[in-house]
Amino acid sequence: GALVYQYPRRTICKSGTSMRMECQAVGFQATSVAWYRQSPQKTFELIALSTVNSAIKYEQNFTQEKFPISHPNLSFSSMTVLNAYLEDRGLYLCGARDWGGSSYEQYFGPGTRLTVL
Amino acid sequence: GDSVTQTEGPVTVSESESLIINCTYSATSIAYPNLFWYVRYPGEGLQLLLKVITAGQKGSSRGFEATYNKETTSFHLQKASVQESDSAVYYCALGNNNAPRFGAGTKLSVKP
Repeated sequence: GALVYQYPRRTICKSGTSMRMECQAVGFQATSVAWYRQSPQKTFELIALSTVNSAIKYEQNFTQEKFPISHPNLSFSSMTVLNAYLEDRGLYLCGARDWGGSSYEQYFGPGTRLTVL
Repeated sequence: GDSVTQTEGPVTVSESESLIINCTYSATSIAYPNLFWYVRYPGEGLQLLLKVITAGQKGSSRGFEATYNKETTSFHLQKASVQESDSAVYYCALGNNNAPRFGAGTKLSVKP
């Protein structure tokens, strides 16, 4: 079956430091990977959509300078939260989709929970 | 932009009662959006409950069903008889060639 792993599951960083998180797709080709953030008491906000061999598209209020993303192959993506502050805390979710498949489903990982001290 | 509005939680119902969680959408950049319901059970990851990609069609899974109504721009989630194991957070979402965009989520608690 199709699975998405995220690492780490939980992490704590000091204010002003950076944190890198990873997303691994197993059992299918992650042609596109979407990164989301769920801040406390909020829904999942789309940060950016990354498609292999295409430019990464960031949503309004999110920038490459703050959330650089790497998507080097069809099974892996990473995102870094640079210069993290309190408002960056929350659950970061990775969702991957196989554009070559017939399913419209986006498979999600369990998330990386970021705490900023 | 594209957005989803759903029933504000938390919602508490008793086991075997019926359930409806409302969802309405606004799709300004997508002519024919796909509509989804995702669910997150306690301690688990987000998973797809059901999806409908064609207006007028109904999707169903695990006793839940939702009909894609383009006229009212709605995609309400219904279940005739809930079980305690249905306690979870439910998210309505819309999407097409882009990543799905989620509603705020509705926390459902089912009392035994």
